[in-house]
Amino acid sequence: SQKIEQNSEALNIQEGKTATLTCNYTNYSPAYLQWYRQDPGRGPVFLLLIRENEKEKRKERLKVTFDTTLKQSLFHITASQPADSATYLCAPAGGSQGNLIFGKGTKLSVKP
Amino acid sequence: GAVVSQHPSRVICKSGTSVKIECRSLDFQATTMFWYRQFPKQSLMLMATSNEGSKATYEQGVEKDKFLINHASLTLSTLTVTSAHPEDSSFYICSARDTGRITQHFGDGTRLSIL
Repeated sequence: SQKIEQNSEALNIQEGKTATLTCNYTNYSPAYLQWYRQDPGRGPVFLLLIRENEKEKRKERLKVTFDTTLKQSLFHITASQPADSATYLCAPAGGSQGNLIFGKGTKLSVKP
Repeated sequence: GAVVSQHPSRVICKSGTSVKIECRSLDFQATTMFWYRQFPKQSLMLMATSNEGSKATYEQGVEKDKFLINHASLTLSTLTVTSAHPEDSSFYICSARDTGRITQHFGDGTRLSIL
């Protein structure tokens, strides 16, 4: 069955450093992959979408890579700030209607 | 842009009650909406896909008679949890996909607590 793994449940880093989150998927080949941010008690907020024919996508301090050979996506936040603290969800497209399959997320904590 | 409103944000009710949750796309039309359930420290689990004007498609293991979905217009989908029991307590989240686009935009969720 399709499986999504986000490398760690929690990641603690110092303000100003680059946070790198990993998403690995198995048993399918998504046409695209999305990253979302979720704050406690709130719905996910869309951050970035990357397609299978794109290697890298950037938006301000965010960068996403997509390696279809390794079946992996990396999500980077440069110059991290305490306000970046949240849970980040990886969601490759899965089903016939383009349904998203979500990983459990990585809780990022940026310390001042 | 791309705002999805979900209401109510929190419901506390007695066992056996039916609860209706609304999901509205405020500034775009959504042919397809999705309903998810999320337990603490777990990922979002897709319950069903709702297409405007047609029957919802339910994921394996989700009872369609328990979780009634109606998507009567391009901006509104509703989820009714019928005869709710304590095990139905969870965080329910909807999303909507702008017609012709890929990205899903999420509501802020409904915390359902059944006593």
